[in-house]
Amino acid sequence: EVQLVESGGGLVQPGGSLRLSCAASGFTFTSHWMTWVRQAPGKGLEWVANIKPDGSEAYYVDSVKGRLTMSRDNAKNSLYLQMNSLRAEDTAVYYCARINGIWRFDYWGQGTLVTVSS
Amino acid sequence: DIQMTQSPSSLSASLGDRITITCQASQDIRNYLNWYQQKPGKAPKLLIYGASSLETGVPSRFSGSGSGTDFSFTISSLQPEDVATYYCQHYGDLPWTFGQGTKVESK
Repeated sequence: EVQLVESGGGLVQPGGSLRLSCAASGFTFTSHWMTWVRQAPGKGLEWVANIKPDGSEAYYVDSVKGRLTMSRDNAKNSLYLQMNSLRAEDTAVYYCARINGIWRFDYWGQGTLVTVSS
Repeated sequence: DIQMTQSPSSLSASLGDRITITCQASQDIRNYLNWYQQKPGKAPKLLIYGASSLETGVPSRFSGSGSGTDFSFTISSLQPEDVATYYCQHYGDLPWTFGQGTKVESK
């Protein structure tokens, strides 16, 4: 059974940092692109970043470039999102998801809430 | 960036009704479109990929169509468990973007 479990969310002050993790199981992690999608409270979905199966390249939405960094550890079947210089507008539930086939997000984690506030 | 415009933003229908949601892309995205269902407090669930392909395990009352810039998503007979918010999402050029969502309620 495919499982994705996020962790690491919490309350952080503006300008602070946080590292999200996503533990993957039940599939061959090294065969899949992975993605982070976020959802601000009461709002819609926003794609944040993708990463290649080997971790060699990641791609970001403009609003997070230079502040958020996506990485993976294939030996640990884990995905990460290092979040620096956080802003109030980064407040959201962050979901990790598996990308399958032709760019479809077919499995999602339960999400982890990041709140940026003083 | 490619903008995705969904309509309506919300709708109310009777159980058994056929409902249709539309999604318009700001430029040609071929058939690079997915549809997701999200229930309150839950992660999104993939229903349709490639504009019209039904994800494994998804009931056949869900369907999608379209190509280029105009797409539609249909529930042929609304069931109680279909009350949710539905999102389209393109996977053309980055950044991938979602429509603003359509909240489906039952009368």
